[in-house]
Amino acid sequence: ETGVTQSPTHLIKTRGQQVTLRCSSQSGHNTVSWYQQALGQGPQFIFQYYREEENGRGNFPPRFSGLQFPNYSSELNVNALELDDSALYLCASSLQLAGANTGELFFGEGSRLTVL
Amino acid sequence: AQSVSQHNHHVILSEAASLELGCNYSYGGTVNLFWYVQYPGQHLQLLLKYFSGDPLVKGIKGFEAEFIKSKFSFNLRKPSVQWSDTAEYFCAVNRERDAGNNRKLIWGLGTSLGVNP
Repeated sequence: ETGVTQSPTHLIKTRGQQVTLRCSSQSGHNTVSWYQQALGQGPQFIFQYYREEENGRGNFPPRFSGLQFPNYSSELNVNALELDDSALYLCASSLQLAGANTGELFFGEGSRLTVL
Repeated sequence: AQSVSQHNHHVILSEAASLELGCNYSYGGTVNLFWYVQYPGQHLQLLLKYFSGDPLVKGIKGFEAEFIKSKFSFNLRKPSVQWSDTAEYFCAVNRERDAGNNRKLIWGLGTSLGVNP
């Protein structure tokens, strides 16, 4: 077990709706990254939060947004859902230290979103 | 653009066969290299990583990988696979200076390994 927990594990939404996914990072980790993983594909980087600020974003539209809280837990929000948003959403926590980054990611089991 | 290629998308082996999964990346400079594994129904987890030092890296569950700088490769190997090695395997690479910046961590598309008992 990584200590990274995500909720919900599965959910079904319809086009146009909004969804919030939650992630509790591993104790002591200060960075959370979110990924979208379509079936048969590798993880696609959505964004990363460090000290409650977004400090890196992949090629995802603004309707994908997030938050990081003082306890380093995080939310991913997706507005105006589209069919292509159906995927497994992964949260990964890591520890960033000045001048010493292991780069290792600790993943949760994901939230599987189906958009109908 | 930077890229990571995993040439084998699907591999099927019998138990006790040897395994080698290819991973090549497209950019030069000092790199950090990772192999992650995703067992059916489980989370992605780190198998092994290379930052510096001995280019032959040993990971969990008997896996190893060799970094060959001249070939821009980081192939994953296991001498004798087991049914429990059935999983998706992902290679990921970033530049040393980008460690911790996950936007710069480039992932391969993954290799699906099936091991027949």
